[in-house]
Amino acid sequence: AQSVAQPEDQVNVAEGNPLTVKCTYSVSGNPYLFWYVQYPNRGLQFLLKYITGDNLVKGSYGFEAEFNKSQTSFHLKKPSALVSDSALYFCAVRDIWADKLIFGTGTRLQVFP
Amino acid sequence: DTGVSQDPRHKITKRGQNVTFRCDPISEHNRLYWYRQTLGQGPEFLTYFQNEAQLEKSRLLSDRFSAERPKGSFSTLEIQRTEQGDSAMYLCASSQRTSGSGEQYFGPGTRLTVT
Repeated sequence: AQSVAQPEDQVNVAEGNPLTVKCTYSVSGNPYLFWYVQYPNRGLQFLLKYITGDNLVKGSYGFEAEFNKSQTSFHLKKPSALVSDSALYFCAVRDIWADKLIFGTGTRLQVFP
Repeated sequence: DTGVSQDPRHKITKRGQNVTFRCDPISEHNRLYWYRQTLGQGPEFLTYFQNEAQLEKSRLLSDRFSAERPKGSFSTLEIQRTEQGDSAMYLCASSQRTSGSGEQYFGPGTRLTVT
């Protein structure tokens, strides 16, 4: 079965420091991977995706993600965190049999001033 | 704003009542998806449409749930005889399915509370 795992329920980081939110995947074949962010009482906002090509993917709001096939990981990163980055982050993989997303359980990012 | 819209944003209903939610996708998008999100969990897929055709339904979508997209534009999700376990955020998303994997754009969601 295809799945993604987000091993950390919460990540705390000081403003200005780099941040990493971890995601690992389990998929047969080549994965299509996504990161979304969710602010309180709002829907999910698309940040970035990996389909093929360069392993470092750049997305919205200064976020980037690194695809690592050997480690089956797709970690979300940002060089310098902002307090406004505090939100719930979801990693997702596209089902290889149908056009639907399979989400992880989410990681709450808390950036402290 | 030309994003995905959902109505209502909040719905409180009593157990056993029927409820209907509406989703208006981004206008040029031909695919529309419904997901359900419970507290502390990621969204779970329910069903999706390409134009007016419903292409897949999750086993989560019991026979009390029905979704339609009659003209290939907006969609409705109806829950009959609601149960307390139906309390969740119902998210709608849309995408333009051409080639490759188009990202899905989500609406703000409808939060359902069944009392």
